[in-house]
Amino acid sequence: EVQLVESGGGLVQPGGSLRLSCAASGFTFSNYEMNWVRQAPGKGLEWVSDISSSGNTIYYADSVKGRFTISRDNAKNSLYLQMNSLRAEDTAVYYCARALYSGSGSYPGYWGQGTLVTVSS
Amino acid sequence: SYELTQPPSVSVSPGQTARITCSGDELPKKYAYWYQQKSGQAPVLVIYEDIQRPSGIPERFSGSSSGTMATLTISGAQVEDEADYYCYSTDSSGVLWVFGGGTKLTVL
Repeated sequence: EVQLVESGGGLVQPGGSLRLSCAASGFTFSNYEMNWVRQAPGKGLEWVSDISSSGNTIYYADSVKGRFTISRDNAKNSLYLQMNSLRAEDTAVYYCARALYSGSGSYPGYWGQGTLVTVSS
Repeated sequence: SYELTQPPSVSVSPGQTARITCSGDELPKKYAYWYQQKSGQAPVLVIYEDIQRPSGIPERFSGSSSGTMATLTISGAQVEDEADYYCYSTDSSGVLWVFGGGTKLTVL
């Protein structure tokens, strides 16, 4: 059974940093593209970042580019999101998502339960 | 940047058919996917590749796509189908993930 468990969320002051982790199990982690998706309170889903199976190809949403860094450790079956220069608008539940593949690209096939990040003074 | 547009809300009575639309310029070339999200829970895939239904999803959920619009249809909507529904697709490169703004379905 595929399991994705996020951790590392919490309360942080504006301008601060936080590192999220996602522990994966139930599949061969090193074979799959992984993503972070977030959801601000009462708002919709927003894609944040993507990392290829090897870690060599990375993409970011414009809203986090230059502030967030995605990474992975295939030996530890873990995905990370280093968040720096945090802003109030980064307050959200952050989901780790594993990709599945179709003829027109990838899509979120499995989701974790999310971890809440609150940016406030 | 690429956008997918959904109506903010749809309301039906139990047993009626609910239709939720999603429009996007790349949908003629890219698949649409639909996710159901109930309060406090992670999203659940209910339709993939425009029309396919994952195992375990009730038959009353169906999908279609024509031109720049994809549609999620819930035939005989039930109270337990009340949730937010999000369409998803990729941009023209097939790399960047894009979600619609979400539609709140009310069944009462």
